[in-house]
Amino acid sequence: DAGVIQSPRHEVTEMGQEVTLRCKPISGHDYLFWYRQTMMRGLELLIYFNNNVPIDDSGMPEDRFSAKMPNASFSTLKIQPSEPRDSAVYFCASTTKPYGEQYFGPGTRLTVT
Amino acid sequence: DQQVKQNSPSLSVQEGRISILNCDYTNSMFDYFLWYKKYPAEGPTFLISISSIKDKNEDGRFTVFLNKSAKHLSLHIVPSQPGDSAVYFCAAKTQGGSEKLVFGKGTKLTVNP
Repeated sequence: DAGVIQSPRHEVTEMGQEVTLRCKPISGHDYLFWYRQTMMRGLELLIYFNNNVPIDDSGMPEDRFSAKMPNASFSTLKIQPSEPRDSAVYFCASTTKPYGEQYFGPGTRLTVT
Repeated sequence: DQQVKQNSPSLSVQEGRISILNCDYTNSMFDYFLWYKKYPAEGPTFLISISSIKDKNEDGRFTVFLNKSAKHLSLHIVPSQPGDSAVYFCAAKTQGGSEKLVFGKGTKLTVNP
């Protein structure tokens, strides 16, 4: 298996622009997680899906952030409009069962200038 | 409110010696704990886990110890190898409800040849 795939790997954008991050989970995994990693806050969960349905979005920082999972093999995290404080590494992870270890993608490094 | 704390940002050990990474938690509802390892420019990878019904779990060179009364867990790596040099994250979750993992901020381990 190719593992969790994220694109793009790097994104540089200007403040106010829309940013879309993409994730393809491991085939057969029914849980998908979006994380953000910053120096200040470490690795924090933004939202997770089970069977394509958002279950817990309490970590989404504000209305500028939205996530979708239209099918079992694709998810997006969108920031509109982007701000410099959104600069971070965003990880997607998937797993197949509760208590199961999560498999992380390589991350997208986002820089908002 | 940091529920999972890794108080040592970094640790340096000699090859062949034991590495001990520590983690403290404040939420008594946590009942499952995991350690992840992260290399630069990669996503975290699962290393080892432990349920709260156990106080020790071993996998090759890696052993995790859990002290529930102290709300403390530790990861022992014996013997340490240069390839173990990475950032190690402790994570915790609660049974039932959300599948959210709460991560510590990580400890950077350097194993010197």
